[in-house]
Formats: sequence, C-alpha cells, structure tokens
Amino acid sequence: RKEVEQDPGPFNVPEGATVAFNCTYSNSASQSFFWYRQDCRKEPKLLMSVYSSGNEDGRFTAQLNRASQYISLLIRDSKLSDSATYLCVVNTGNTPLVFGKGTRLSVIA
Amino acid sequence: DGGITQSPKYLFRKEGQNVTLSCEQNLNHDAMYWYRQDPGQGLRLIYYSQIVNDFQKGDIAEGYSVSREKKESFPLTVTSAQKNPTAFYLCASSRQLLSTYYGYTFGSGTRLTVV
Repeated sequence: RKEVEQDPGPFNVPEGATVAFNCTYSNSASQSFFWYRQDCRKEPKLLMSVYSSGNEDGRFTAQLNRASQYISLLIRDSKLSDSATYLCVVNTGNTPLVFGKGTRLSVIA
Repeated sequence: DGGITQSPKYLFRKEGQNVTLSCEQNLNHDAMYWYRQDPGQGLRLIYYSQIVNDFQKGDIAEGYSVSREKKESFPLTVTSAQKNPTAFYLCASSRQLLSTYYGYTFGSGTRLTVV
C-alpha cells in the first residue's frame, strides 16, 4: 500500500459547485497533515494544515479521520481560480513530508 | 521579503555532464530538502538536511549529491550517473524537520532537460 493515496481525477465541476477530495495514508503514526495547491508548472503552495478537530478557511474545509486514516478537503462555491492540482501531504514523524500524487481539479464556466 | 530562490529556472544538460542546481533561503530555516517531480507524478524526496554539514539520503538519492556548508544554501548536483534526470526539481525549507504546523516553503523550481 502506498504511503499517501489520492484519486488523480480530473474532477471537472461547474462554477459554484461543491467538490470534495479524499486522501488515505498508511502509517497510523502520522502526526501532521496538510493540503497543498500546485498550479501547472509551478511550485506547491501550502493551502491549509489539517487539525484533528477539523478546520475551515473561507470556502475550504479540511477534516481528519484518524481511525480510518483519511483526510478530506471540501471546496464550496468553486471558482475558476480554484483550478489546480491539490496535494495531500503527511508527516509520519521524524522524517520529511510525504506527498501524494495529487488530484486535479478543473472548474468550468 | 524572505523566501527561497532556485536557479536557474531552466537548465539543459548534455549526456555525461554534471550540473548543479542552486537553492538559497533567507528564512532562517534549519531544514532543507530536494524533491523531484515527473509529469503526472508526486514529489519524490532526493536528499534532505536538518543542520549545516549534515544531510541524509531520501528515496531516490542515486545519481545525485548535495552539500550543506551554510545554513542558507543547499545545492544539488545531478551527476552523469543519474540516467533519467529530465524532471522538475523543487527545493524546500522548514523551521525544523517535523514542521508540524507550518509545512514546507518551496522555491519556484528548476526544470532540467537532457539534450
């Protein structure tokens, strides 16, 4: 089983739609979790950290389910500018972050 | 403004040639990392360093070398032993290895092509 798994997509959604991405991780000792956004041919940028209680930042909501070892990202009221690849990222302890392959989102007018 | 600078943005390498990718940060971060990204793939860890004069191999270190003589700098050399070096190379840094809340900050990347 891969350390971090994501549905590669693409997810093609109309503007204004709500879209959810899931990510599973294999190491139950994982301690911290992040969602990064990567635009085409650019570097990844931190979108949000994921906390145990779940957290929200504007239209974006991140959830963590430790029992099932998955993380989710919900985007409400999708904008054209949300089109990007979303990377699920996990820290398993005293090792560097492990990145998923990403889920591609295209928001269509 | 603080950040990470990678240079060059584009690099072309001939077969059998060694090339060095530069990565400099002024964020006062202790830890630095090199990742490689191939089209449609995730980031794969090449090398990382937690402190000056110390570094560890990542998952795909073969054919690469690094040095960490200064806190601010972590150059990556792609040697002729790396048989498939064409990729997007990303340098990152963090306050410390665990970086529980802040994640990593990335440079804008170097796109290396073998010609």
